Amino acid sequence: AQSVTQLDSQVPVFEEAPVELRCNYSSSVSVYLFWYVQYPNQGLQLLLKYLSGSTLVKGINGFEAEFNKSQTSFHLRKPSVHISDTAEYFCAVSAYSGSRLTFGEGTQLTVNP
Amino acid sequence: KAGVTQTPRYLIKTRGQQVTLSCSPISGHRSVSWYQQTPGQGLQFLFEYFSETQRNKGNFPGRFSGRQFSNSRSEMNVSTLELGDSALYLCASRSTPGQGRSYEQYFGPGTRLTVT
Repeated sequence: AQSVTQLDSQVPVFEEAPVELRCNYSSSVSVYLFWYVQYPNQGLQLLLKYLSGSTLVKGINGFEAEFNKSQTSFHLRKPSVHISDTAEYFCAVSAYSGSRLTFGEGTQLTVNP
Repeated sequence: KAGVTQTPRYLIKTRGQQVTLSCSPISGHRSVSWYQQTPGQGLQFLFEYFSETQRNKGNFPGRFSGRQFSNSRSEMNVSTLELGDSALYLCASRSTPGQGRSYEQYFGPGTRLTVT
């Protein structure tokens, strides 16, 4: 079984500031790692994924994440945020062999002018 | 390519009634999964269907059921609705398990169910 912990439920930042959203996971098997974003009244959109290889992965909208196997973490970062990045962000894992996604509780990112 | 579509987008039902939600996956995708999203429990996996067969099931009571048709469209049914079933129900599709980029799941906009 897998579990995901997002360490911050809410992250307020000012526009053009850097941001980091933290995610730790636990699993007894090898997993894929994902970050999804959800805008109000919408479904989930895939931001980026880690499957294997380079531990730094780049996604859409200028986001990137770093996989740290020893710390079982997959933190999401953006060097300069925009008002339009205001949304809820979910970290998720799935086992190599399955499709079931296990999600964290979500982090509400609010970008203020 | 059209995305995942879900109908209806909003639904209001009364306790004790039953409801059916529909999901049409991305063209060519044969796997459909369902998730429930609530403020208290977050996002939870309900079940996955592939080739009209349930492949995986989450920890939900038997009141929650689903099916998949030969064209890969899927329906989810909840019987004897309870207030706690109020949630956003999300459907996700992916390509044939084990092939290509099947690890990527694409979500629809969801159906917002309110039980009164």
